[in-house]
Amino acid sequence: GAGVSQSPRYKVAKRGQDVALRCDPISGHVSLFWYQQALGQGPEFLTYFQNEAQLDKSGLPSDRFFAERPEGSVSTLKIQRTQQEDSAVYLCASSLEEAGAWEQFFGPGTRLTVL
Amino acid sequence: RKEVEQDPGPFNVPEGATVAFNCTYSNSASQSFFWYRQDCRKEPKLLMSVYSSGNEDGRFTAQLNRASQYISLLIRDSKLSDSATYLCVVIPLSGYSTLTFGKGTMLLVSP
Repeated sequence: GAGVSQSPRYKVAKRGQDVALRCDPISGHVSLFWYQQALGQGPEFLTYFQNEAQLDKSGLPSDRFFAERPEGSVSTLKIQRTQQEDSAVYLCASSLEEAGAWEQFFGPGTRLTVL
Repeated sequence: RKEVEQDPGPFNVPEGATVAFNCTYSNSASQSFFWYRQDCRKEPKLLMSVYSSGNEDGRFTAQLNRASQYISLLIRDSKLSDSATYLCVVIPLSGYSTLTFGKGTMLLVSP
């Protein structure tokens, strides 16, 4: 079956531009997570959805970052007025989140470069 | 202090060597522990969970010491295909399964 997909795979933005990153989780997965991975670092948590509800957004670095999952499946991470420090790989992960089915499956990521 | 700290890398070892990675975590209430593997420019993938009793999967052995807040991964008989970054991962007691990652330790296995 299909895994988690993300688009675009690569995005180059000029400083100040808005970007939107898309995540298609595995069908039927209740939970969806966004992580940010800077070069040479481990992924860092941004936000978490359970179905359409955003239950935790404590990792979003500023109010320029916004995420949504309106129908409980596809999610979009939007970054407004991008800055150079936003350059990173943005990873999406999904899980069934049922008892014994907690494993998170990651998508290939979107590599964002802000010039 | 970061929540999850790992040995700095990279580790350069010859094929067949045994290599061990260490990791410490700061939140004593952390509830679940894992090792993930990440190949260059790829996404992280679960390697194995870590249990207090210790667990083994083929050439890989993971150990957890809750009293010392310490996690380890041992790889025996290293293969070229083991070259990757190994990420120590903890789930804090937050009610959600948010993963907290260490910085990762890079392993390079050479012929």
